[in-house]
Amino acid sequence: DADVTQTPRNRITKTGKRIMLECSQTKGHDRMYWYRQDPGLGLRLIYYSFDVKDINKGEISDGYSVSRQAQAKFSLSLESAIPNQTALYFCATSEGNGANVLTFGAGSRLTVL
Amino acid sequence: AQSVTQLGSHVSVSEGALVLLRCNYSSSVPPYLFWYVQYPNQGLQLLLKYTSAATLVKGINGFEAEFKKSETSFHLTKPSAHMSDAAEYFCAVSRYNQGGKLIFGQGTELSVKP
Repeated sequence: DADVTQTPRNRITKTGKRIMLECSQTKGHDRMYWYRQDPGLGLRLIYYSFDVKDINKGEISDGYSVSRQAQAKFSLSLESAIPNQTALYFCATSEGNGANVLTFGAGSRLTVL
Repeated sequence: AQSVTQLGSHVSVSEGALVLLRCNYSSSVPPYLFWYVQYPNQGLQLLLKYTSAATLVKGINGFEAEFKKSETSFHLTKPSAHMSDAAEYFCAVSRYNQGGKLIFGQGTELSVKP
């Protein structure tokens, strides 16, 4: 099994719908992140969590919310999806040291029509 | 504030040729620098990282990068390209107290011609 598992891998939805992307990890890492990838823009940080009781906004948090249900689970929600949220979303984890190496999931491709 | 610029959104080389992917960064404090690779339909995986030790960093699959403070650069090289190197490559920067909050460059897609 993958160290970081994202579900669903692909999702097509309509404007205004609520969407949840889920992430679970078996790395035992405390730190979890949600990044968004757009062509030509690289990856941008949406939200991050350094432990179960810690949630922080990243660079582009507007229109998104997150929930850290357990050390191993971190979900991203779009309360009312809009077309410019069409993107590839990545969950990642890291240890709490200075090297900050991220372990990524395989990604969730979201299309909002 | 930190930022990363990757020069060239697309680079094409012939198999066996030198690979050079360019990355320049800006940071007000000593940075940590990374190169990640993304193969089609996969997540990113770490190629190599610079954390203020040796300025020449060796990574997986024959890649290496050199940290040049005077040029604020961290270019990625490989002496001889292989078809399996075709992928998208991302340069990223962070600093010690930023956890896994990386600032990524725009990405460079590497094509390898037979």
